[in-house]
Amino acid sequence: NAGVTQTPKFQVLKTGQSMTLQCAQDMNHEYMSWYRQDPGMGLRLIHYSVGAGITDQGEVPNGYNVSRSTTEDFPLRLLSAAPSQTSVYFCASSYQPGHSSYEQYFGPGTRLTVT
Amino acid sequence: GDSVTQMEGPVTLSEEAFLTINCTYTATGYPSLFWYVQYPGEGLQLLLKATKADDKGSNKGFEATYRKETTSFHLEKGSVQVSDSAVYFCALPGSGGSNYKLTFGKGTLLTVNP
Repeated sequence: NAGVTQTPKFQVLKTGQSMTLQCAQDMNHEYMSWYRQDPGMGLRLIHYSVGAGITDQGEVPNGYNVSRSTTEDFPLRLLSAAPSQTSVYFCASSYQPGHSSYEQYFGPGTRLTVT
Repeated sequence: GDSVTQMEGPVTLSEEAFLTINCTYTATGYPSLFWYVQYPGEGLQLLLKATKADDKGSNKGFEATYRKETTSFHLEKGSVQVSDSAVYFCALPGSGGSNYKLTFGKGTLLTVNP
């Protein structure tokens, strides 16, 4: 049981480039989400999904796209990278709403630098 | 809307000192409350939780009591170790059917010196 995995661990992009951050979980969790972590800001929700085929925006969705074609995978796409997207990105998953244990499990993070 | 206000750091302590990190929240009703910990270079992991008022969550020597009168969930440990050095986040789930959407405090960096 690998839990939540994220790739890559580190990435450097030039302004305007696009890329996809990968996230996968093997716990059969319905809910998955992406956060970004910036100094002094805590974690902010970018996008989330409550099941395959269903996604919605969080607090800071601009500049990011997501899709959820399977229960296991929830990739995050940066369409045209900007220096303001320099951050550490975390993927998380949990059971469906109403489950007795809706603890969120986090991946190890992707550290992204945009120059 | 729902919010979490967490004591700002950084906090620097000597080994075996007593730790308190304050957390207060604003929310509708009486939600569950969480403390997450992030060790250097890692993702967040759940440290402890309390699911109703007056509950005490505990794990790894850390404790937090859910106080509805003061809307607080302060984290305490009687004797910290160097290995407790990490960032600590207080978190609040969304209300109603959105209990999986967590709102985090800004985090408190704890450094424990030998």
